[in-house]
Amino acid sequence: GEDVEQSLFLSVREGDSSVINCTYTDSSSTYLYWYKQEPGAGLQLLTYIFSNMDMKQDQRLTVLLNKKDKHLSLRIADTQTGDSAIYFCAEGRMNRDDKIIFGKGTRLHILP
Amino acid sequence: DAMVIQNPRYQVTQFGKPVTLSCSQTLNHNVMYWYQQKSSQAPKLLFHYYDKDFNNEADTPDNFQSRRPNTSFCFLDIRSPGLGDAAMYLCATSRVRQGTYEQYFGPGTRLTVT
Repeated sequence: GEDVEQSLFLSVREGDSSVINCTYTDSSSTYLYWYKQEPGAGLQLLTYIFSNMDMKQDQRLTVLLNKKDKHLSLRIADTQTGDSAIYFCAEGRMNRDDKIIFGKGTRLHILP
Repeated sequence: DAMVIQNPRYQVTQFGKPVTLSCSQTLNHNVMYWYQQKSSQAPKLLFHYYDKDFNNEADTPDNFQSRRPNTSFCFLDIRSPGLGDAAMYLCATSRVRQGTYEQYFGPGTRLTVT
C-alpha cells in the first residue's frame, strides 16, 4: 500500500514539547517531509529529512527517522500558540513517479 | 518574491456550471500539481504536469481537466461541478529531480457549489 498514517489530533500545553508521529509504508521513499497548514491557507514546508539520515534539527524542530520501523516524528520544542495548525507528514518517492503521498494531518491544539 | 499564486481565493459556482481555477508561479519550476483537499483529509492529487507532459491520476473523474499553456500557468477546469466537488483546490510546484523535491504550495482556492 501507499499509506501514510498519523494521529488526527494532539493537544499540548503552551511551553511544552509537541511530538507528532507518523508511519509510512514505502521503503523506497527518498525524502520525508513535514508540512504545516494554518486555517484557510496552503501547505507550508516546515522541514524534510533524507532517507539515509536519522535525525535533523532546525531551531525548535527536531525530526527523527527510524527507517527500519518506517516511523517519522516531529518534535516542536517550547510550543507556542502560533504553532496551532494541521501538520502533514509526507513521503516522496522520487525517481519513481515524482509524487508526494500525504497523511491525513494531525491537528495540534495549544492549551493555555 | 517568487511564489505560487492562485486566483481566485474563493469561488462560488452553480451546480453544473463550468468553472476554471488558475495557478501561476514565478519559480520557473518544471512540475505543477493540482490537489483537491476536503475537510480533515489529506490533499488528494488530481493530476500533474511534468513540463508539458500531462499525468492524470487513475481515480481523477473525467469532470476534471487541466491545461498548462506555458511554464508559468496552469488551469483546473471543472466541466460540470457537483456538490461533491466543493473543496479547497491547491496548486503546487516543484523542481523534480533536482534538490530535495519539495513542493511549494499556493494558498488554495476554496470552491463552493450551490
